[in-house]
Amino acid sequence: QSVLTQPPSVSGAPGQRVTISCAGSSSNIGANYDVHWYQQLPGKAPKLLIYTNTNRPSGVPDRFSGSKSGTSASLAITGLQAEDEADYYCQSYDNRLSGLRVFGGGTKLTVL
Amino acid sequence: QVQLQESGPGLVKTSEPLSLTCAVSGDSITTYYWSWIRQSPGKGLEWIGYIDYSGATNYNPSLKSRVTMSVDTSKNQFSLKLSSVTAADTAVYYCARYVGPQQADNWFDPWGRGTLVTVSS
Repeated sequence: QSVLTQPPSVSGAPGQRVTISCAGSSSNIGANYDVHWYQQLPGKAPKLLIYTNTNRPSGVPDRFSGSKSGTSASLAITGLQAEDEADYYCQSYDNRLSGLRVFGGGTKLTVL
Repeated sequence: QVQLQESGPGLVKTSEPLSLTCAVSGDSITTYYWSWIRQSPGKGLEWIGYIDYSGATNYNPSLKSRVTMSVDTSKNQFSLKLSSVTAADTAVYYCARYVGPQQADNWFDPWGRGTLVTVSS
């Protein structure tokens, strides 16, 4: 059971907008720690998608955006494309147990 | 650009130690922190720990009793040793740079391609 909770799956048609939620608690996101997002294409290593809640690394399309509020965060993908089909993970810091870097359980995005 | 490459045995016997090395190119290992993360088959990501160039470490409490990380600045690489492995340690092991303005709020970028380690008797 992951410290950060994500829906196991989401889906959308090409061109649509989807969001992926990441629910935390008062010891991680709610304690004002930053949230980062990763995209894992099938058979590949995770790749940084969003850092510090809302920032995109160079080369990441602006179709991807992140937000954070209270004890949760969200990743939004607009103009869905077939190449976006992947697993997405959120990551933050948890201040229990001498500090823990925690991931969400991952969300499988299916482009219909 | 920064590249990381994991290496080590793909098969480890139960109760024996697992040892992996991550070679870093395109950046000096004296910058930032360097981490290990694993992913069990079909499962999510689990942070194992990180190390800096001085050898200072921070481990996942759930693995702390079995984990040792080390760094070799002359070779620009760092290593993971996990003792007394069981089938539950079967996973793809990734190394990654842990980067950002401070230890708590940092992120992992980039990642190595990962190496599958299977634990079997």
